[in-house]
Amino acid sequence: GAGVSQSPSNKVTEKGKDVELRCDPISGHTALYWYRQSLGQGLEFLIYFQGNSAPDKSGLPSDRFSAERTGGSVSTLTIQRTQQEDSAVYLCASSLAGRGGETQYFGPGTRLLVL
Amino acid sequence: AQSVSQHNHHVILSEAASLELGCNYSYGGTVNLFWYVQYPGQHLQLLLKYFSGDPLVKGIKGFEAEFIKSKFSFNLRKPSVQWSDTAEYFCAVNSNQGGKLIFGQGTELSVKP
Repeated sequence: GAGVSQSPSNKVTEKGKDVELRCDPISGHTALYWYRQSLGQGLEFLIYFQGNSAPDKSGLPSDRFSAERTGGSVSTLTIQRTQQEDSAVYLCASSLAGRGGETQYFGPGTRLLVL
Repeated sequence: AQSVSQHNHHVILSEAASLELGCNYSYGGTVNLFWYVQYPGQHLQLLLKYFSGDPLVKGIKGFEAEFIKSKFSFNLRKPSVQWSDTAEYFCAVNSNQGGKLIFGQGTELSVKP
């Protein structure tokens, strides 16, 4: 079946601009996660959605970052007033119900470059 | 604080050599442990995981890992590596309630043919 998809695959933007990154989870998965992967910081958790519960936003690095998940499916990660340190690969993952021990399935990522 | 430590940043082996990648974690409570692999140009994918039962778990492509609770470790092993195992390997942990994964810094494995 189809895996997690993300768009765009690459995004180049100028410092100060806003960007939106999209994630389509695996159909039927109620849990959705955003991570970012950068050279200096490795893989960092950003935000987690589980069903209708309030999202776990504990990993968002600043208030310039926000995410929403509409209709329990597609999610959008928005970065406002981008900075050069936001350059990274943004990964989305989904899992069936967010329970312990579940496999998180990762998408291909969006590579963001802020000039 | 919750953390995962991978001791080897870059490992270089010849084909047929044995592999052991170290992973230690610091996490309160019951944990689930994972090894993910990222082959060049590909997505992160699960190699194996431990969440209960036998602490020796077997994964894809001949990999295995042993959960040693007393040592807070979950080391990855393979008796004989192949060139196709060249990849970056990540150890990760989450709580028994699920949710976010905490990842180690990753270990880059290069296998020489």
